[in-house]
This record gives sequence, structure tokens and C-alpha cells, in this order.
Amino acid sequence: QKEVEQDPGPLSVPEGAIVSLNCTYSNSAFQYFMWYRQYSRKGPELLMYTYSSGNKEDGRFTAQVDKSSKYISLFIRDSQPSDSATYLCAMTPNAGGTSYGKLTFGQGTILTVHP
Amino acid sequence: DVKVTQSSRYLVKRTGEKVFLECVQDMDHENMFWYRQDPGLGLRLIYFSYDVKMKEKGDIPEGYSVSREKKERFSLILESASTNQTSMYLCASSLSTGKGYTFGSGTRLTVV
Repeated sequence: QKEVEQDPGPLSVPEGAIVSLNCTYSNSAFQYFMWYRQYSRKGPELLMYTYSSGNKEDGRFTAQVDKSSKYISLFIRDSQPSDSATYLCAMTPNAGGTSYGKLTFGQGTILTVHP
Repeated sequence: DVKVTQSSRYLVKRTGEKVFLECVQDMDHENMFWYRQDPGLGLRLIYFSYDVKMKEKGDIPEGYSVSREKKERFSLILESASTNQTSMYLCASSLSTGKGYTFGSGTRLTVV
């Protein structure tokens, strides 16, 4: 079983929809959680960064972490065609320290927002 | 603006060739990483480095080596390229205090 599980999709939604992307994990040591967005033929870019449990909002994006359930989510409100990309969750036990901030990634979910 | 530069976007090499993939970052980051990305397998860590001349194996180091002679540059070497090393290779860097990675644009390598 993988440490981080993410439904690869693909997920197709109409413009304006609310999108929910999810990851589950098995390692209870994970404390730092991230979402990356990767456009076709590009490298991933950091979208959201959260520590421990709770919510974080940035514009149309909301990241949620539920450590008790080992479950993280990314919500996209009022989705736009420009949101079409692969979304990767990532996590690490320590920001730095002896793990050097190494990230464990989910497989990525392919999202298409159609006009 | 950016930040992490990979020397080639696309490469085609022959089986058995020695291949060098170069990565340079201009953010004074301590940590640098090499991943490969394959459909259905996601991102897999090959090697990383937390300081000049220091390196650590990742999850799939076989068939690869790395070099970090300067802080800003991290090279991935395929000693004898094989067709199963056809992949997208991504370089990333980060501060020692974490806060996530900055990735390069990737190098799509095809070994024929």
C-alpha cells in the first residue's frame, strides 16, 4: 500500500463548479501538507502549504487537513478552464531537519474544467 | 523571476549512452532533488542533496548517479542509458527550513 493515495481521475467538471480533490495517507508522522498544480509539459508549482490540521484559504482555493482521519482536501470554487491541470498532494514529517523536507507525493489527479 | 532551470526540455539518446541532466537554481537553496515522473507511478525520488558534495539515495537510485560540486548546480547522470529510463525528469530545490519545493520545467528524456 502506498503511503499517500490519490484518485488519479480524470475529473471533468463544467466551468463554475466546485471541485473537491482528496488524498489519504497512512503515515501519522506527516505534519506538513502541500498541493501542487502541474500544467501540461511543465513542472509542478506550489499552490497551497499547510501545517497540521485545519483550513487555509487563498482566493478560490481552500486546503483542509484532518489528521485524525489522515485525509486532506483541496477545494476550488468557481472553477475556470485555466484551472485545468494535474493536482498533486504532497506531505512531509518535518519542514527541514533530518528528513531534509523530503516530500511524499500522491499520484496526481487530472482535472479538466470545460467552458 | 525563476529560479530552477533544467538545461534541456527534450532529449533523445541511444541505449548505452552516458547522459547528463543539468539543474541550476538561483535561490541559494540548500536542498536539491531529482525525481522522475511516469504515468500511473507519480513522482519517484531518485537522489537528493542537502549540501555541496553531499548526496543521498532516494527510492529508485539504480542506474543513476549525481554530482553537486557547487551549491547552485545538481547534475543527474545516467551511466548507461536504457529504454526503461525513458521518462520526465524533474529537478527541485528547497530551503533547509522546508516550505516546499520549487521545481524546474522538466526534461523529457527518450532512450531509443
